[in-house]
Amino acid sequence: DSGVTQTPKHLITATGQRVTLRCSPRSGDLSVYWYQQSLDQGLQFLIQYYNGEERAKGNILERFSAQQFPDLHSELNLSSLELGDSALYFCASSPFLMGETQYFGPGTRLLVL
Amino acid sequence: GQQVMQIPQYQHVQEGEDFTTYCNSSTTLSNIQWYKQRPGGHPVFLIQLVKSGEVKKQKRLTFQFGEAKKNSSLHITATQTTDVGTYFCAGYNTDKLIFGTGTRLQVFP
Repeated sequence: DSGVTQTPKHLITATGQRVTLRCSPRSGDLSVYWYQQSLDQGLQFLIQYYNGEERAKGNILERFSAQQFPDLHSELNLSSLELGDSALYFCASSPFLMGETQYFGPGTRLLVL
Repeated sequence: GQQVMQIPQYQHVQEGEDFTTYCNSSTTLSNIQWYKQRPGGHPVFLIQLVKSGEVKKQKRLTFQFGEAKKNSSLHITATQTTDVGTYFCAGYNTDKLIFGTGTRLQVFP
């Protein structure tokens, strides 16, 4: 158990819909990262937040957005969903800004029908 | 953009055989990390290498960081069925941790 929690574990929705994925980092960690892992694919970095502020952006679509709240939990919002958005979405956390080990949550498996 | 490639993509070995995965970056990395993802699981940190030419061992696992800090390798001696999973290298380039494409290891008893 990494100490990072993600909800929900599974999500099934339809194209065009909007969903919110939630992540609680390890106690004391200030950075939260979001990754997308498609079937048989590697981990694609989406975005990083540090202490409430966006710090780094990867290949995140404009239909996707994220935020980190004062209590340091984070949400990833996915809108106008397409079939290709079906994937595992991982959240990870680390104590500070960069260069450190990242601790991954169990992931949210999203299926868009 | 920066790319981190791993070879091979898949490897099937008999239990007891050795296994090596290679990681190559298109740019110099400040450090390299290795993660293991079991089937159905999430990535779990294994180790971090920082210095050029650094070699670290964890029991049957040997990790190496290249002299130019653009490549790395993970070698497993005498594989066991518990080694099954996908091994990812990941390197920091400025502010982003870029994950390699991964090597999926299957071990047959």
